[in-house]
Amino acid sequence: SQQGEEDPQALSIQEGENATMNCSYKTSINNLQWYRQNSGRGLVHLILIRSNEREKHSGRLRVTLDTSKKSSSLLITASRAADTASYFCATGPINAGNNRKLIWGLGTSLAVNP
Amino acid sequence: ETGVTQSPTHLIKTRGQQVTLRCSSQSGHNTVSWYQQALGQGPQFIFQYYREEENGRGNFPPRFSGLQFPNYSSELNVNALELDDSALYLCASSFGTLAANTGELFFGEGSRLTVL
Repeated sequence: SQQGEEDPQALSIQEGENATMNCSYKTSINNLQWYRQNSGRGLVHLILIRSNEREKHSGRLRVTLDTSKKSSSLLITASRAADTASYFCATGPINAGNNRKLIWGLGTSLAVNP
Repeated sequence: ETGVTQSPTHLIKTRGQQVTLRCSSQSGHNTVSWYQQALGQGPQFIFQYYREEENGRGNFPPRFSGLQFPNYSSELNVNALELDDSALYLCASSFGTLAANTGELFFGEGSRLTVL
């Protein structure tokens, strides 16, 4: 089952613009992570934000977390054509039970046009 | 490069056949998680192995099974293949089950399975 829902499903911007993607989730979490996936390939970890953090930066990436709204956003500043990929949020639920799994959203497909 | 390698990268099977996919985890990682990703979807957790034992399973039928070896490499076996099993199968390694559940995962490039 999917917990995260990314919004928008697809985003097309010009190089140099900022890209913002949102993720909503349903249950209480320990942390939320963002991953990137180039077409049909493996996922690459971008950033992890813990439930007691509100904002985190890594290079051109900025992630915010609002646990009261159960939502997160990923901002990519000064986008490049190489940022073209799908972006997924994944949550680590508090009460993961025996499954102990990260729960993934459906992803946002980002296209950065040169 | 995550140091996680999967094989084969692509394969085609027919309904009813069996398939084995392999994963070598990153050096020092003792936990392997397997995910199924259908086209246009997010990854779905299949199961996790820690110290050669299954340590958590998602909503997949028993015909999905796995193994972890003493060197922490892992196999995913799928019996009686169905058309809906066509997907990208991803292996992810990490150190320790707590990290596997709440921390960063290191993914391989995946094995793309097509069932005809």
